[in-house]
Amino acid sequence: QQPVQSPQAVILREGEDAVINCSSSKALYSVHWYRQKHGEAPVFLMILLKGGEQKGHDKISASFNEKKQQSSLYLTASQLSYSGTYFCGTEYNNAGNMLTFGGGTRLMVKP
Amino acid sequence: EPEVTQTPSHQVTQMGQEVILRCVPISNHLYFYWYRQILGQKVEFLVSFYNNEISEKSEIFDDQFSVERPDGSNFTLKIRSTKLEDSAMYFCASSGSGGARGTQYFGPGTRLTVL
Repeated sequence: QQPVQSPQAVILREGEDAVINCSSSKALYSVHWYRQKHGEAPVFLMILLKGGEQKGHDKISASFNEKKQQSSLYLTASQLSYSGTYFCGTEYNNAGNMLTFGGGTRLMVKP
Repeated sequence: EPEVTQTPSHQVTQMGQEVILRCVPISNHLYFYWYRQILGQKVEFLVSFYNNEISEKSEIFDDQFSVERPDGSNFTLKIRSTKLEDSAMYFCASSGSGGARGTQYFGPGTRLTVL
């Protein structure tokens, strides 16, 4: 059962903020966020473990709400380079072998 | 910076033929994975491999698929008798540790086209 991402697509102007959500109906152990540009491999952004952890990387940060079984990715002051498809990959146990990816969120940042 | 490499970048084959996709994981990594992505769709897990055996596999990974680590550096995915629906981008990934803390680094992918 795959996680559900929302929104499916978003268009931003450079400098605007965006939030991408990843929700699961099953209890999550961890959430991995990736960005994929067209024709390229997914690039790792960050991992969040259960426990409500929040992480940040430059102007991109994420949180993990264990009660809601949801992770949110926050993109602040977006740059043109942020354009791409964002996927969350979820793990449901700590065996750590299999990532189940959501359907992706297409983000387009315009000048 | 170490990276996962894959060959070939594009493979075209006839339905029913066997193909072998090759990957060189990051050198000190112990866990290896194959994923596929049909054009325009999400990334799907196929199989994970650790200590010379399959750790986990998905429903997609049926008897037509096999994986092997023939030497200390390569990791291969074999499809015995390709079908049209096997056409996809195949990504290899590796991680240095298992468990939820193991970041999976993806290779550039092999685009498989089955005619």
